[in-house]
Amino acid sequence: QKEVEQDPGPLSVPEGAIVSLNCTYSNSAFQYFMWYRQYSRKGPELLMYTYSSGNKEDGRFTAQVDKSSKYISLFIRDSQPSDSATYLCAMGKAAGNKLTFGGGTRVLVKP
Amino acid sequence: DGGITQSPKYLFRKEGQNVTLSCEQNLNHDAMYWYRQDPGQGLRLIYYSQIVNDFQKGDIAEGYSVSREKKESFPLTVTSAQKNPTAFYLCASSPLDSTNEKLFFGSGTQLSVL
Repeated sequence: QKEVEQDPGPLSVPEGAIVSLNCTYSNSAFQYFMWYRQYSRKGPELLMYTYSSGNKEDGRFTAQVDKSSKYISLFIRDSQPSDSATYLCAMGKAAGNKLTFGGGTRVLVKP
Repeated sequence: DGGITQSPKYLFRKEGQNVTLSCEQNLNHDAMYWYRQDPGQGLRLIYYSQIVNDFQKGDIAEGYSVSREKKESFPLTVTSAQKNPTAFYLCASSPLDSTNEKLFFGSGTQLSVL
């Protein structure tokens, strides 16, 4: 079993809809959590970074962490065609330690 | 502009050949990393370096080698011992801040076998 599980999709939504993405993990040692967005054949770019359980909002993006359930989510409100990309979750156990990535979810936002 | 530059964008390897992927950063970051990405799979760590002239193996180091002679540069060599080298290779860097594990990525190199 992988340490981090993420549905590969694709997840197809109409423009303006809410996109809901999630990852589950098995190791309670993970302390901080990130979401990256990756356009086709490009490097991932950091979207959200959270350390504690709860919600963090940045513009149209909300990251949610539930450490008791070992479950993290990313919500994208008012989705745009430019949000079409692969979204990768990543998590780390401690500062200075390497990150563990999910496999990524491909999202398609149709005009 | 500050950032991470990977070259070439596309690379082809013949059987038995070693090839080297370039990664240069001008972000003044201490740590640099190499990841391999296969379709539908997460990023897997090949090697990383936190200081010049020192580096550690990641999860899939077999068939790869690296060097870190300068802070700005972290080239990756894919050797002939790597039997399945076709993948998208990503270089990343990060500052070594105790509260910051944010990775900054280059644009990647697609390696294919002829």
